[in-house]
Amino acid sequence: GNSVTQMEGPVTLSEEAFLTINCTYTATGYPSLFWYVQYPGEGLQLLLKATKADDKGSNKGFEATYRKETTSFHLEKGSVQVSDSAVYFCALAGTASKLTFGTGTRLQVTL
Amino acid sequence: DTAVSQTPKYLVTQMGNDKSIKCEQNLGHDTMYWYKQDSKKFLKIMFSYNNKELIINETVPNRFSPKSPDKAHLNLHINSLELGDSAVYFCASSPGSGNNQPQHFGDGTRLSIL
Repeated sequence: GNSVTQMEGPVTLSEEAFLTINCTYTATGYPSLFWYVQYPGEGLQLLLKATKADDKGSNKGFEATYRKETTSFHLEKGSVQVSDSAVYFCALAGTASKLTFGTGTRLQVTL
Repeated sequence: DTAVSQTPKYLVTQMGNDKSIKCEQNLGHDTMYWYKQDSKKFLKIMFSYNNKELIINETVPNRFSPKSPDKAHLNLHINSLELGDSAVYFCASSPGSGNNQPQHFGDGTRLSIL
């Protein structure tokens, strides 16, 4: 079946540091890949997506590239802010848009 | 003008009770979902409906029964609540059931079983 593996957190960074959160997946067929973000006490919000190999999703300074050869979709941001502190979920969508999530990575950004 | 709204936001009840969580979306989407998030933040799909028809039914105890009176609503009824049902339940919707359709989530319902 489908599965998503993402790095365990928490990840603690100083403001303006570079962020990478690793995500790899196992899937049959051609899944779409997503990053969702969950701020404290809120639901998940779509951060970015990529629907085919070599696509790059980007939003709010975050980027991730769909790498079929390495089955990866790592999230990056060049300069994080305190307001980026949240839990980040990598997910893939297989048939019937069923989302399979990774375990989530908590990011804490300090001044 | 909340896109996906769930009620209640918090639900505290005793073991053995029956409770319902309601979900409504005003996005005109055809597909709706229920997810369960456990205490370690792990998210797992429970059910999905497309135009009121069940399309995903994961391995969920039959004490959980979703009901979709129309495509804008997907309610979750839980019978004989157990301690292990304590979690945050999220409703979501998407335009259709294709795998490139992003899902829009509600803010969650935190269910606590005493």
